[in-house]
Amino acid sequence: GAGVSQSPRYKVAKRGQDVALRCDPISGHVSLFWYQQALGQGPEFLTYFQNEAQLDKSGLPSDRFFAERPEGSVSTLKIQRTQQEDSAVYLCASSLLDREETQYFGPGTRLLVL
Amino acid sequence: DQQVKQNSPSLSVQEGRISILNCDYTNSMFDYFLWYKKYPAEGPTFLISISSIKDKNEDGRFTVFLNKSAKHLSLHIVPSQPGDSAVYFCAASADSSNTGKLIFGQGTTLQVKP
Repeated sequence: GAGVSQSPRYKVAKRGQDVALRCDPISGHVSLFWYQQALGQGPEFLTYFQNEAQLDKSGLPSDRFFAERPEGSVSTLKIQRTQQEDSAVYLCASSLLDREETQYFGPGTRLLVL
Repeated sequence: DQQVKQNSPSLSVQEGRISILNCDYTNSMFDYFLWYKKYPAEGPTFLISISSIKDKNEDGRFTVFLNKSAKHLSLHIVPSQPGDSAVYFCAASADSSNTGKLIFGQGTTLQVKP
């Protein structure tokens, strides 16, 4: 009965470094979302997967951001050549397929780019 | 542009009294609304939701009211308890998105004083 887990919980990166953030959704959840939460703001949508298919990536801020979910379960959000403005909490959420099903959030990965 | 707005960054109430958190939205395509609660270092936790075909939904101490003509919703917590102290996010989604992605407000920090 585990919830959504994310790793690492904290990541410090030097500007220009590549990072990879992992999300383990709730078993059986078809839908997976990534959100970015800047300090003092609400979460902002980044991308959406239905099983392994990335159906919406309209929220990814630049082509340095890339997400995948190759087997329809675990997902990885990769940020290449990190910039200071990438510093934020990255939240993963999963849900059953229906739009009105509850999205369950993980604890997030706090990324600090120096 | 901010499609979902929570204009009060913070709210302080006495234990046992009512807490009222407010949220305004601009996108008339939104048809499903949610409230999430967030403790520090944790992901948001779902509280309560309402579909646009309703104007009220109640779950225990929590009631959400929706005024579509005013594009306004509110969360009432009665009676408020110290454990309710957290950041509350209002969120909305549109059927047209086909993904269920959520658009969040900036959050309101609620403090319930014993």
